[in-house]
Amino acid sequence: GENVEQHPSTLSVQEGDSAVIKCTYSDSASNYFPWYKQELGKGPQLIIDIRSNVGEKKDQRIAVTLNKTAKHFSLHITETQPEDSAVYFCAAERGSNYQLIWGAGTKLIIKP
Amino acid sequence: EAQVTQNPRYLITVTGKKLTVTCSQNMNHEYMSWYRQDPGLGLRQIYYSMNVEVTDKGDVPEGYKVSRKEKRNFPLILESPSPNQTSLYFCASSLQDGGEQYFGPGTRLTVT
Repeated sequence: GENVEQHPSTLSVQEGDSAVIKCTYSDSASNYFPWYKQELGKGPQLIIDIRSNVGEKKDQRIAVTLNKTAKHFSLHITETQPEDSAVYFCAAERGSNYQLIWGAGTKLIIKP
Repeated sequence: EAQVTQNPRYLITVTGKKLTVTCSQNMNHEYMSWYRQDPGLGLRQIYYSMNVEVTDKGDVPEGYKVSRKEKRNFPLILESPSPNQTSLYFCASSLQDGGEQYFGPGTRLTVT
């Protein structure tokens, strides 16, 4: 069935360095790819999203890239800060009914 | 303040004792959804609703029921809870299917 694979499951980076989280999806009809951030004890919150007619989107220190041919998309965080520590989820819209299929999550740890 | 609320936040119960987790949103959103979050599995959709009196199964609907009698409320019902339903549950809403989802704070359920 349709699925989204997310790597790595845990990522530890030095404060100020960049972090990259990668996802691959299986449904070629997917056209919408959001990223959510979940802080401890809270629900996920949308941080950036991209649609299939765009290859890259940036918002300050975060960016998302999409390669539809290879069916993968990535989240890039530059100049990481302590408040970036959280669990990040990627998702892909299911082409058949527009529901989201979620990755398993990446725990990002920013080391001071 | 625009928000999604869930109650209770924490619940410990025994096998077979019916329970309801409430979800309410004050943003006049049409779309609402229930997810469960388990370690290593990300978010899995249980049920969703496109509008009042319109509900549909997600990926893991077995053992759950929902209702959407009013636009703002979307309760999750476990008629006969079992230990494999021990999980962290999130309710979410969005203006439309495929839009940004706003998540509640989560309900941690333990079934013994």
